[in-house]
Amino acid sequence: DAGITQSPRHKVTETGTPVTLRCHQTENHRYMYWYRQDPGHGLRLIHYSYGVKDTDKGEVSDGYSVSRSKTEDFLLTLESATSSQTSVYFCAIKKEGNTEAFFGQGTRLTVV
Amino acid sequence: RKEVEQDPGPFNVPEGATVAFNCTYSNSASQSFFWYRQDCRKEPKLLMSVYSSGNEDGRFTAQLNRASQYISLLIRDSKLSDSATYLCVVSGYSSASKIIFGSGTRLSIRP
Repeated sequence: DAGITQSPRHKVTETGTPVTLRCHQTENHRYMYWYRQDPGHGLRLIHYSYGVKDTDKGEVSDGYSVSRSKTEDFLLTLESATSSQTSVYFCAIKKEGNTEAFFGQGTRLTVV
Repeated sequence: RKEVEQDPGPFNVPEGATVAFNCTYSNSASQSFFWYRQDCRKEPKLLMSVYSSGNEDGRFTAQLNRASQYISLLIRDSKLSDSATYLCVVSGYSSASKIIFGSGTRLSIRP
């Protein structure tokens, strides 16, 4: 158990509504990541964080924003959800150095 | 061009077979390499890290070729429980680097 909790685990929302996904860690790791996973695309990086208030864009950041006001929480917000954002979202954490990342159990988001 | 490319498969092989996966990466500054395993509807989990000298963990062998920018994974004496998707993962030269995943190779082991 890498001490990562994602919430909610499942969510159905309507097009145009805002949605926030939460990633919480108990490991005090500096680095946190949000990915989405879709058939045929694998895991694609949305945003990542290398410290409190330090975030950067990944390859598919359009339509998403993030915030990290404290070490343990990394929030992913869909300002106005679209059907193309229906996906499985994974959060990951990593400690200093060239080490592996550990993943949360994922959030299955459906936008109808 | 994707930063990390893998053959999506699926690979369908009999139990006991040897199977090999390859992965190529485009960023020559990449420094850290991993293979992850992902079971259906689960989160990815680290299978093994990949070192320049190559490394082995039981039936699994990983190799890195920096000159050609590819990574390989060899599974010997495959088991039914090896059925999963295998993800190639590449990261940059510092802790703050992005971690980039290949799209994964599906492996199915048949009895």
